[in-house]
Amino acid sequence: GAGVSQSPRYKVAKRGQDVALRCDPISGHVSLFWYQQALGQGPEFLTYFQNEAQLDKSGLPSDRFFAERPEGSVSTLKIQRTQQEDSAVYLCASSSGVGQRWNTEAFFGQGTRLTVV
Amino acid sequence: AQTVTQSQPEMSVQEAETVTLSCTYDTSESDYYLFWYKQPPSRQMILVIRQEAYKQQNATENRFSVNFQKAAKSFSLKISDSQLGDAAMYFCAYRSGQDFGNEKLTFGTGTRLTIIP
Repeated sequence: GAGVSQSPRYKVAKRGQDVALRCDPISGHVSLFWYQQALGQGPEFLTYFQNEAQLDKSGLPSDRFFAERPEGSVSTLKIQRTQQEDSAVYLCASSSGVGQRWNTEAFFGQGTRLTVV
Repeated sequence: AQTVTQSQPEMSVQEAETVTLSCTYDTSESDYYLFWYKQPPSRQMILVIRQEAYKQQNATENRFSVNFQKAAKSFSLKISDSQLGDAAMYFCAYRSGQDFGNEKLTFGTGTRLTIIP
């Protein structure tokens, strides 16, 4: 596609509910990132994929957070048993990736705003 | 770990005037990249300008320029001839040059820029 696409744009979940957030990166982009942006804060890194391999998940806040990218394109961020502190905007970014160093600009989607009530 | 600090939560500028947004960072690395991103209400992060740490020359992109002071670990953004469309949140971000292939970004907390007509 022309850009990074995320769905849904908005999600309201009851506390304890499981949610799944989708990211469709730019076609052919090797690298994919998830960030969490709390209200009034900057984005914080959650996890990184190179193709289908999850190479860095150091930012995932708990084992309730799980991300996958099984075929190296679309990625899903799943949050189990949501809690109020999970309320945030979840941003996905992709880049052309490995081997290009300086030229690997990250392109962001418009994010999913998750509200846990 | 690297940190990025933006000490100005809000700034305002008269249309057509010049404004400077501040950013400082902390790192022990010598190879890194610095970025300014713009986030309008649509939430999509848009790259404004970037700087390679090994380059002494300050980056410029049309009305946007940076003042990169490596020794002071300072990276400010100057917007000249401010336009109404410049109104947004601005985030300073750091990326390590050593974590080859994982271009995760560390963001500051942002500065909300208002343009006064």
